[in-house]
Amino acid sequence: KAGVTQTPRYLIKTRGQQVTLSCSPISGHRSVSWYQQTPGQGLQFLFEYFSETQRNKGNFPGRFSGRQFSNSRSEMNVSTLELGDSALYLCASSLEARTPQFFGPGTRLTVL
Amino acid sequence: TQLLEQSPQFLSIQEGENLTVYCNSSSVFSSLQWYRQEPGEGPVLLVTVVTGGEVKKLKRLTFQFGDARKDSSLHITAAQPGDTGLYLCAGPYYGGSQGNLIFGKGTKLSVKP
Repeated sequence: KAGVTQTPRYLIKTRGQQVTLSCSPISGHRSVSWYQQTPGQGLQFLFEYFSETQRNKGNFPGRFSGRQFSNSRSEMNVSTLELGDSALYLCASSLEARTPQFFGPGTRLTVL
Repeated sequence: TQLLEQSPQFLSIQEGENLTVYCNSSSVFSSLQWYRQEPGEGPVLLVTVVTGGEVKKLKRLTFQFGDARKDSSLHITAAQPGDTGLYLCAGPYYGGSQGNLIFGKGTKLSVKP
C-alpha cells in the first residue's frame, strides 16, 4: 500500500497570507489527524477528521481549519499567517480512533 | 498536562555503545507505540506493545512494556549512526483536545561514528 502523502513538501509565505496543505491517507484509513511540530513544543495536535467530520480539535486559534473529502483526503488551511506559524505540519492516518497512526513526510512551512 | 514523560531529552553517544530511553506515565495505557523521526521527515512507527511485561525485538532494538502498563523502554544495542533521530512514544488518549494519541516530547538521539 502507498503511504501517507503530503503536498507540498516545502512552502514559503509572508505574514498575512493564507496557505492550504493537502494530505492523502493510506487507502482504507478513514481517520486523518493533523499536527504542528516545532523544536520547542513537540507534536501539537491540531484536529482529527473521520468520515468527513471533525471529531477532535486541539487548542489552536480559529485561523487553523481543515476539512476531509469523501475519498478521505484532507486539507488544512491557515489564514492570516503569523511568524509563529513556521513549523513542520504533519498529517497522520489510521484505521480507527486510537489505533497506531502512520505519518506523512510533512510540509515545512516558513513564514517570513 | 504531559501524560507521557520521556527521558532523557537528549542523548549523544559513540557508535557501538548501548543505550536505553524511557517513556513513563502515572496513567495506565492499553498500548504504547514507539516512533522514530529523522530530521525533516515524519515519524515512522517502529512497534506497538499491548501486553504488560511484553518484550518485542526489532533487530538491535528491544522494546519493553511495563508490567503495570504505565511505562515502556527502548534499548538499543551497539548503536549505529543510522539510529540517529527523535524517538517518540505515544499512547491512546480519551481527553479530546490532544487527539486520539498522546505523544511524549521525545528523546533526541545522536550516534557519532
